[in-house]
Amino acid sequence: NAGVTQTPKFQVLKTGQSMTLQCAQDMNHEYMSWYRQDPGMGLRLIHYSVGAGITDQGEVPNGYNVSRSTTEDFPLRLLSAAPSQTSVYFCASSQSGRAKTGELFFGEGSRLTVL
Amino acid sequence: AQSVTQLGSHVSVSEGALVLLRCNYSSSVPPYLFWYVQYPNQGLQLLLKYTSAATLVKGINGFEAEFKKSETSFHLTKPSAHMSDAAEYFCAVMLSSNTGKLIFGQGTTLQVKP
Repeated sequence: NAGVTQTPKFQVLKTGQSMTLQCAQDMNHEYMSWYRQDPGMGLRLIHYSVGAGITDQGEVPNGYNVSRSTTEDFPLRLLSAAPSQTSVYFCASSQSGRAKTGELFFGEGSRLTVL
Repeated sequence: AQSVTQLGSHVSVSEGALVLLRCNYSSSVPPYLFWYVQYPNQGLQLLLKYTSAATLVKGINGFEAEFKKSETSFHLTKPSAHMSDAAEYFCAVMLSSNTGKLIFGQGTTLQVKP
């Protein structure tokens, strides 16, 4: 059982480039979300989804797009990367009932550097 | 708006000593509260959660936390630290009516000295 898988683990971009961070889970979880982790700021929610075809914004959505075409996948797109988006990104998922009680399963993270 | 504040970004204890990591929350309604742990180069994993049942919550690896409404606190404790407890710990809050969005604190790095 792979759990939550994120790719790539490391990425370096130049300002203005675009890229997609991939997230896949094999636990049939309905709830999926993306967080960014920055020193001294904890984790901040970017976008989340409560099921295929349904997405919503979190605390810091600007500069990011998401879509949810399948239950398994929840990619995060950076349309025009900026240095402020240098961060570690975490994907997390949960069964829909458990999502309301905070039992999230996290991937290992994707470290992004924007030059 | 609800939020959490973790007091102390870095805590250092000796092996075998008491671990106390502090978390205070701000919420206008009874919250769901959580502690997550992050080991180096890994994602977060749930340690324990409070969901309005017993105020003293026991988690994995010998950790526990007590919900104190009068103090708006949810401090994490462990009677005796082990070297393997060295990690970053996050307190988080979620409104009971929420879809599942967690608001995390800034994190506390626990160092355990031999």
